[in-house]
Amino acid sequence: DAKTTQPNSMESNEEEPVHLPCNHSTISGTDYIHWYRQLPSQGPEYVIHGLTSNVNNRMASLAIAEDRKSSTLILHRATLRDAAVYYCILRVTNSGGSNYKLTFGKGTLLTVNP
Amino acid sequence: GAGVSQSPSNKVTEKGKDVELRCDPISGHTALYWYRQSLGQGLEFLIYFQGNSAPDKSGLPSDRFSAERTGGSVSTLTIQRTQQEDSAVYLCASSLTVLAGRNEQYFGPGTRLTVT
Repeated sequence: DAKTTQPNSMESNEEEPVHLPCNHSTISGTDYIHWYRQLPSQGPEYVIHGLTSNVNNRMASLAIAEDRKSSTLILHRATLRDAAVYYCILRVTNSGGSNYKLTFGKGTLLTVNP
Repeated sequence: GAGVSQSPSNKVTEKGKDVELRCDPISGHTALYWYRQSLGQGLEFLIYFQGNSAPDKSGLPSDRFSAERTGGSVSTLTIQRTQQEDSAVYLCASSLTVLAGRNEQYFGPGTRLTVT
């Protein structure tokens, strides 16, 4: 999967919005932007994904820049349960068939303060 | 609906013994994946099943590791003659399809394997 860059850590207060940035300047035209998170001592959890348009689901919103070189995961009201490592990855669609393997980088460690 | 389930949640075994880890994917999901994650490390891909196609076993670390998926549903990962370096959390995931845009993976809670 193509490279993404995320801050190592971010901090938020409970019930406040959180904006988690991700840079992916080498994104190709058909690459999807996926976000996963991993809570302490749990398996990874799918959060959201998108291609060009902004996306909303029950967990979060994904804002994608017009040039697609960056995106932002938005948690509208952070809870203590949202404290996790958040991973932004590009799902390459033209990689000769091996695009199903998920590879996580270091991600952003989100701390939520009560 | 029911998510991906895995059993056992924890397994402690002696070096040299065989272990079997089970994964029950989300009903209707055609693709099933096994990963492992060592303490503080990233995901390591092990094996992938898609429908009736031949599985991609390219991530299996040695011939002591094998996996099956019976009837397109439940999968079993078997580790023979376990070694201490096999200690990790073994994660199973499934996805509805592998088509771009609809291939998000849903993970189970994992099996924590400890080889003593």
